[in-house]
Amino acid sequence: DAKTTQPNSMESNEEEPVHLPCNHSTISGTDYIHWYRQLPSQGPEYVIHGLTSNVNNRMASLAIAEDRKSSTLILHRATLRDAAVYYCILRDTPYNQGGKLIFGQGTELSVKP
Amino acid sequence: SQTIHQWPATLVQPVGSPLSLECTVEGTSNPNLYWYRQAAGRGLQLLFYSVGIGQISSEVPQNLSASRPQDRQFILSSKKLLLSDSGFYLCAWKSDGVNSPLHFGNGTRLTVT
Repeated sequence: DAKTTQPNSMESNEEEPVHLPCNHSTISGTDYIHWYRQLPSQGPEYVIHGLTSNVNNRMASLAIAEDRKSSTLILHRATLRDAAVYYCILRDTPYNQGGKLIFGQGTELSVKP
Repeated sequence: SQTIHQWPATLVQPVGSPLSLECTVEGTSNPNLYWYRQAAGRGLQLLFYSVGIGQISSEVPQNLSASRPQDRQFILSSKKLLLSDSGFYLCAWKSDGVNSPLHFGNGTRLTVT
């Protein structure tokens, strides 16, 4: 399975943008990049996903490198509620039928007021 | 709308006792179902996943087992708990489809004493 590498922790100030990096140098051409986040004592929640093009939704933006070997999750204005562990994940299969989602260690984001 | 129920929220069990954690999904049919475990610290370990009734894929050899007796019911069991089975157990579901997101339950915090 293709793996991802993320920094163990990052800090941000409230209302400032946050760029969370993820390296996935062994990504295959059909792997999608997914991001989830986990608030304390809760299950993870989906944030965003993409394949090649940059993606935006109400929660965040996803910037994908041209060679697809890295990506960056962008929180445009961090709030205290964004303090969480952020996971960058590659889909195991592009096809229907299940598909494993393997979570790494993630990046713990701290947001300072 | 779809909801996922997982219970109990917390559980304290002695070593050697049996375990049964139940997860049910409402509002969808034929979901893909998953059991993850999160030990102290971060990182979710995929334990089992199922793409249909009676179809279970095991990711990690251990003294745990999973069953899917009904379409929207997923059960995690053990005949004899070990101390190392302590952790935060999360059930999740997703619909079929390349990039449908995982939806997690609120988890069960299991302490084996």
